[in-house]
Amino acid sequence: DGGITQSPKYLFRKEGQNVTLSCEQNLNHDAMYWYRQDPGQGLRLIYYSQIVNDFQKGDIAEGYSVSREKKESFPLTVTSAQKNPTAFYLCASSIVGTSYGYTFGSGTRLTVV
Amino acid sequence: EDKVVQSPLSLVVHEGDTVTLNCSYEVTNFRSLLWYKQEKKAPTFLFMLTSSGIEKKSGRLSSILDKKELFSILNITATQTGDSAVYLCAVDPNYQLIWGAGTKLIIKP
Repeated sequence: DGGITQSPKYLFRKEGQNVTLSCEQNLNHDAMYWYRQDPGQGLRLIYYSQIVNDFQKGDIAEGYSVSREKKESFPLTVTSAQKNPTAFYLCASSIVGTSYGYTFGSGTRLTVV
Repeated sequence: EDKVVQSPLSLVVHEGDTVTLNCSYEVTNFRSLLWYKQEKKAPTFLFMLTSSGIEKKSGRLSSILDKKELFSILNITATQTGDSAVYLCAVDPNYQLIWGAGTKLIIKP
């Protein structure tokens, strides 16, 4: 079955460490997105990519980095420069030029300890 | 600045009740409005609305859009405990969705 896989589901990080969240899709979607979700808030866009080897900053890109070396994969690195990284991170994908076809992964809950 | 506002932010009702969730928006360009249900982790798609006045329906859930007044409502009739979730509204101005904060709905048995 096609879908998006995020790993790990839970992640603990010490302050000052970089950590990478994995997102893999087998839906043949060109567009992929990373969102952050905090309690009581909607989804905020971190980065998105519409084609391999190209990506764009979203509304809250500071302290994050991404790569898109393969169509299927869009990993997110949370760097030590991110001041408040504890949050729920969601990855999504879609066909470029559509919005209703967003498919989401199950998310990664990152906690800084 | 484009924004999407949902109300109420949380709602507690008893099983069997009917609920109405609201979503208002201000965007410079409008393509569509979408509703998602988020039970634990991954949001799942419910409806996409593009035209005013046309109700979308799926079982006990229905939604309608008013493009003149810039809002949408999501109705759930005969609620069940399985309807407990966060309901997210998003607007698409240019294929990059703008999300509301969500309405947390709790259905008590």
